[in-house]
Amino acid sequence: DTAVSQTPKYLVTQMGNDKSIKCEQNLGHDTMYWYKQDSKKFLKIMFSYNNKELIINETVPNRFSPKSPDKAHLNLHINSLELGDSAVYFCASSQYLGGDEAFFGQGTRLTVV
Amino acid sequence: LAKTTQPISMDSYEGQEVNITCSHNNIATNDYITWYQQFPSQGPRFIIQGYKTKVTNEVASLFIPADRKSSTLSLPRVSLSDTAVYYCLVVGGKLIFGTGTRLQVFP
Repeated sequence: DTAVSQTPKYLVTQMGNDKSIKCEQNLGHDTMYWYKQDSKKFLKIMFSYNNKELIINETVPNRFSPKSPDKAHLNLHINSLELGDSAVYFCASSQYLGGDEAFFGQGTRLTVV
Repeated sequence: LAKTTQPISMDSYEGQEVNITCSHNNIATNDYITWYQQFPSQGPRFIIQGYKTKVTNEVASLFIPADRKSSTLSLPRVSLSDTAVYYCLVVGGKLIFGTGTRLQVFP
């Protein structure tokens, strides 16, 4: 069983479109995260949710909106996609915020053309 | 937030021990030191975590001096499959990744 799964794995779309990336964890964790890894391989935290509540929003444009329907899911919706949004997006989860082992999904490679 | 500094890259040969040092001068009392490994096209994977002194698991050892302002990840007898990026994190509420150390293992 995959602990943290993201869909889709690859996403190619045109500028201006709206897209969503889904993330699910089956570990029973309370905290979930979204990270963006750009072409320079910097891994930057975007959002963190704890028990469905937004805890961290790291100066991400408001075109990015996370949604957590329940503790096991944290989806990322992106409006009006721009070229600079092209990156690999990783979802992760941990038992509690920041303090212990985090499990990452396999990533979603988003390409905006 | 404690910022971490680690070498950009390191080279090694199979069978050698590799030590990657990370400095975190502003570490807070409640912060833990955590190391992750990332292979190309994969998400980071937890390696080891410690608070002070020495921690060892089946993959690596983590050495933390008394002042906790630095830490050293030790990988015994590396193999080609250990080629990856290694991230040092100081964790006290946020999982903030630095630039990481790109380890290249040669035959």
